[in-house]
Amino acid sequence: KNEVEQSPQNLTAQEGEFITINCSYSVGISALHWLQQHPGGGIVSLFMLSSGKKKHGRLIATINIQEKHSSLHITASHPRDSAVYICAHVGGTSGSRLTFGEGTQLTVNP
Amino acid sequence: NAGVTQTPKFQVLKTGQSMTLQCAQDMNHEYMSWYRQDPGMGLRLIHYSVGAGITDQGEVPNGYNVSRSTTEDFPLRLLSAAPSQTSVYFCASSYVPGNTIYFGEGSWLTVV
Repeated sequence: KNEVEQSPQNLTAQEGEFITINCSYSVGISALHWLQQHPGGGIVSLFMLSSGKKKHGRLIATINIQEKHSSLHITASHPRDSAVYICAHVGGTSGSRLTFGEGTQLTVNP
Repeated sequence: NAGVTQTPKFQVLKTGQSMTLQCAQDMNHEYMSWYRQDPGMGLRLIHYSVGAGITDQGEVPNGYNVSRSTTEDFPLRLLSAAPSQTSVYFCASSYVPGNTIYFGEGSWLTVV
């Protein structure tokens, strides 16, 4: 079992739909990242959170440390949101290692 | 502000050849790391560094060497390339591991 499990692996939505991507992890962590990878490969950081909830534009990330679970929500989805979304937790000695989920491929159709 | 610069973007190697993937950042970040990304698998940590002169192995270090002589640079060396090292490689940096992480654009490596 991977330390970081994402669901779903693939998600297709219609423009305007509310989207949720889930991330579960099996070890204690100090922080969790949500990343976005566009076609062509570039990876950008969306959120880093260690508790509660963060919001940036149409994106919302939540984390429940006790349940070892995080969610990424996209409101009013748009075709430009089509990308791979990756969660990664910070762990290891001194919190120096990132462990990544396999990613969720999101396709938003117009 | 260039961020994280990774070169080359594409490279084809023959089995047994050696090469170095370059990574440089201009944000004065202490933490730098190298990952490989393979189809159907998440990014996997190869090596990382928490500061100049300090490196450590990640999840998949075999066949790779790193050094960190300056804060800015963190090159990844393939000692004797094997087809199993065909992958996309990403360099990343952050001030500390739990802070916002910045990725290079990736290096597509094919070993034939």
